[in-house]
Amino acid sequence: GQNIDQPTEMTATEGAIVQINCTYQTSGFNGLFWYQQHAGEAPTFLSYNVLDGLEEKGRFSSFLSRSKGYSYLLLKELQMKDSASYLCAVRGNAGNNRKLIWGLGTSLAVNP
Amino acid sequence: DTEVTQTPKHLVMGMTNKKSLKCEQHMGHRAMYWYKQKAKKPPELMFVYSYEKLSINESVPSRFSPECPNSSLLNLHLHALQPEDSALYLCASSQQMGGGGAANTGELFFGEGSRLTVL
Repeated sequence: GQNIDQPTEMTATEGAIVQINCTYQTSGFNGLFWYQQHAGEAPTFLSYNVLDGLEEKGRFSSFLSRSKGYSYLLLKELQMKDSASYLCAVRGNAGNNRKLIWGLGTSLAVNP
Repeated sequence: DTEVTQTPKHLVMGMTNKKSLKCEQHMGHRAMYWYKQKAKKPPELMFVYSYEKLSINESVPSRFSPECPNSSLLNLHLHALQPEDSALYLCASSQQMGGGGAANTGELFFGEGSRLTVL
């Protein structure tokens, strides 16, 4: 079967660093996405990894290890506005498996 | 223009009504998607159109009927819905269905969603 696991909830303090982990087991692999979703709003794209390693984009970085079926999203210098749900999604690589498989999301609360 | 626009933003309908949700993008994307999202759940794929042809139907009940009049527009026709169909309906688009490699990430661009309440 296909499965994506990520923690349900996390709490962190403003100005700190937080790492949100995602492990996956899917039929093939053709990229991993992280999306941010504020309550009542649409998901917005944060990052894409298809090769092993770290992708850095401002305060956000995403890491991928395909051999371990593992990714993490690293958020630095946390701000209150980073309080949101963070969704990990994996794309398969053949036919209808090219659609995204979504994790259940990690709800991050940033406290002052 | 990097937007996907959806109308209406909010819709309340009875179980006997017929209504439509509309989605538009002008990014030249050739794949368009309908997702349904319940509170505190991830988006759930309903339909995918690729080059204006229905490519994926995730066994969605026939009371939901998609339509892709042209490469920029996507509609979702609603008829005889049930209260449990109340949800946020998200439209998304991507350059192509799937994608792959570093050059074409295939990232989804989402609209703001249509909040549907079925009474």
